[in-house]
Amino acid sequence: GESVGLHLPTLSVQEGDNSIINCAYSNSASDYFIWYKQESGKGPQFIIDIRSNMDKRQGQRVTVLLNKTVKHLSLQIAATQPGDSAVYFCAEKPTSGTYKYIFGTGTRLKVLA
Amino acid sequence: NAGVTQTPKFQVLKTGQSMTLQCAQDMNHEYMSWYRQDPGMGLRLIHYSVGAGITDQGEVPNGYNVSRSTTEDFPLRLLSAAPSQTSVYFCASSAGTGEYYEQYFGPGTRLTVT
Repeated sequence: GESVGLHLPTLSVQEGDNSIINCAYSNSASDYFIWYKQESGKGPQFIIDIRSNMDKRQGQRVTVLLNKTVKHLSLQIAATQPGDSAVYFCAEKPTSGTYKYIFGTGTRLKVLA
Repeated sequence: NAGVTQTPKFQVLKTGQSMTLQCAQDMNHEYMSWYRQDPGMGLRLIHYSVGAGITDQGEVPNGYNVSRSTTEDFPLRLLSAAPSQTSVYFCASSAGTGEYYEQYFGPGTRLTVT
């Protein structure tokens, strides 16, 4: 909901441009990462995932890059559309906690017409 | 398929009241979980279940109970509501009990405790 999105960093992009959303993860032992999209008033929606043995993974209009050296994850959205406006957050899975993902707080993406 | 459903969508409770948040999924998923989402914080795991009859605690279990009598349903009970439990609650499920399965989230329940 909107109250959850207060005080989030915001990225504003023009429609048709590419968007890059960044995430710094906390645990060097994490072996699996996921990007979620959350629209206002809805639950998180899976976008794309990547395992730690990969540096890059592509989906439809989205690419995730993983830099384990600096513990950094990014989500690239090509040709951003108004429907991409949402909060995006990453999740990491530490190897020591099977089901206990660590979720980031998110970035709000605003697409300008 | 309806996916993951949650009821109610909104709820207001007084301190000390108890209630149950309902969660159901029709995908025959083994794994189900409950999270809370608070401003400025990422999702935090409350309880989870890897199958009917099996539940375990997550990161923030205090004040909440769960049970899993069927594969489909995973209710979350607030025993004695406190203002600190004001939050948005999400239920999620995934197909496998392994570590790399996509989680499907419900639409959430917005709970206010006064």
